[in-house]
Amino acid sequence: KAGVTQTPRYLIKTRGQQVTLSCSPISGHRSVSWYQQTPGQGLQFLFEYFSETQRNKGNFPGRFSGRQFSNSRSEMNVSTLELGDSALYLCASSLMTPGLAGGRDTQYFGPGTRLTVL
Amino acid sequence: AQSVSQHNHHVILSEAASLELGCNYSYGGTVNLFWYVQYPGQHLQLLLKYFSGDPLVKGIKGFEAEFIKSKFSFNLRKPSVQWSDTAEYFCAGDYMNTGFQKLVFGTGTRLLVSP
Repeated sequence: KAGVTQTPRYLIKTRGQQVTLSCSPISGHRSVSWYQQTPGQGLQFLFEYFSETQRNKGNFPGRFSGRQFSNSRSEMNVSTLELGDSALYLCASSLMTPGLAGGRDTQYFGPGTRLTVL
Repeated sequence: AQSVSQHNHHVILSEAASLELGCNYSYGGTVNLFWYVQYPGQHLQLLLKYFSGDPLVKGIKGFEAEFIKSKFSFNLRKPSVQWSDTAEYFCAGDYMNTGFQKLVFGTGTRLLVSP
């Protein structure tokens, strides 16, 4: 079974631009989460989507947004880029079967998109 | 606030040495716990996880971790490390009372194993 895929793998943008990152989850996985990884702040949760609905959002400004499509693929958008947005953006998917005990499952991560803002 | 802490930021070991990486989580109700590893140039991979049951869990590549509820700890162990274990290790928790899945990560521990 193919793993989580993310495109593009590398991006270079300038301040003020916007960017869209894409994530395809493992087949059958319905939950997609996004994380930002930086040397200073480590791994921080951005948001989580399930059945095309954002269910949880981390402590990031409104410039960070996302969506999920009916096939569970997800996109993340950052508008008005700032230098501090330079980071590795990770996508993770999980099965998340509602109704089961806890409804929780393991998150499997993609390789990430390395965003550099100049 | 929900948090996960890793006190060892950098660890250097020789091959065949034993490894123990500390992980503590804050109180916040029931929590699922994970250890992930990030090898140089590779993506985060799951080493092992604890949801419930036997507090001693075994993962891939000879790693194991023990959940000690009274100490809020989930330390990672390996009896004999190899050069190929050089990587960054992350402990993470998923707090069940949040209602939604969200991993809270520790700051990571960089392990260097010298041959």
